[in-house]
Amino acid sequence: QVQLQQSGPGLVKPSQTLSLTCAISGDSVSSNSAAWNWIRQSPSRGLEWLGRTYYRSKWYNDYAVSVKSRITINPDTSKNQFSLQLNSVTPEDTAVYYCARDGVAVTWGWFDPWGQGTLVTVSS
Amino acid sequence: DIQMTQSPSTLSASVGDRVTITCRASQSISSWLAWYQQKPGKAPKLLIYKASSLESGVPSRFSGSGSGTEFTLTISSLQPDDFATYYCQQYNRERTFGQGTKVEIK
Repeated sequence: QVQLQQSGPGLVKPSQTLSLTCAISGDSVSSNSAAWNWIRQSPSRGLEWLGRTYYRSKWYNDYAVSVKSRITINPDTSKNQFSLQLNSVTPEDTAVYYCARDGVAVTWGWFDPWGQGTLVTVSS
Repeated sequence: DIQMTQSPSTLSASVGDRVTITCRASQSISSWLAWYQQKPGKAPKLLIYKASSLESGVPSRFSGSGSGTEFTLTISSLQPDDFATYYCQQYNRERTFGQGTKVEIK
């Protein structure tokens, strides 16, 4: 059974960097079929996919256009986890952030499982 | 971007009712659609993938149908545990979600 456990601060100051980590159990961040995603949810934006990392002989990343200039998602194979960094945050980045697994192939594009969610508030 | 539009936004129903939620895509997504249930304070839970495939462990009162641009999620007989918000998600190109349909008690 795959489980995802999120960690990271719940409060970030404007203009600073939001950093979250998602620890994986029951699967590998280096899986040749899975992809590891970050998704956020806010009342104003709904559920918004932010990006993913995956391994297919080398590491790849895909990012949503809306955050592409500010986001980095990195795998950590030594700890079997992956991380999210979102730079230059504003109050509009306040949301519940989730990590989730899907697959790269279009035949496996649904998210399951999800992490427990982390409410991140951007405020001074 | 592929836009996903759900209707209605809110649905009032009683236990035992048959409930149908619609999701429309801005362009054809074949059958690359998933449905989720979300309760307050919890992560979304996968119900249906590939438009009509029921996730293991999900009650058979949930069903999905459709292809191309129009999809439906049906709950055949609403149970107390089903009052929640439901989301569709396309995975034909990138990943986008509908805005959600809240099923509330009538």
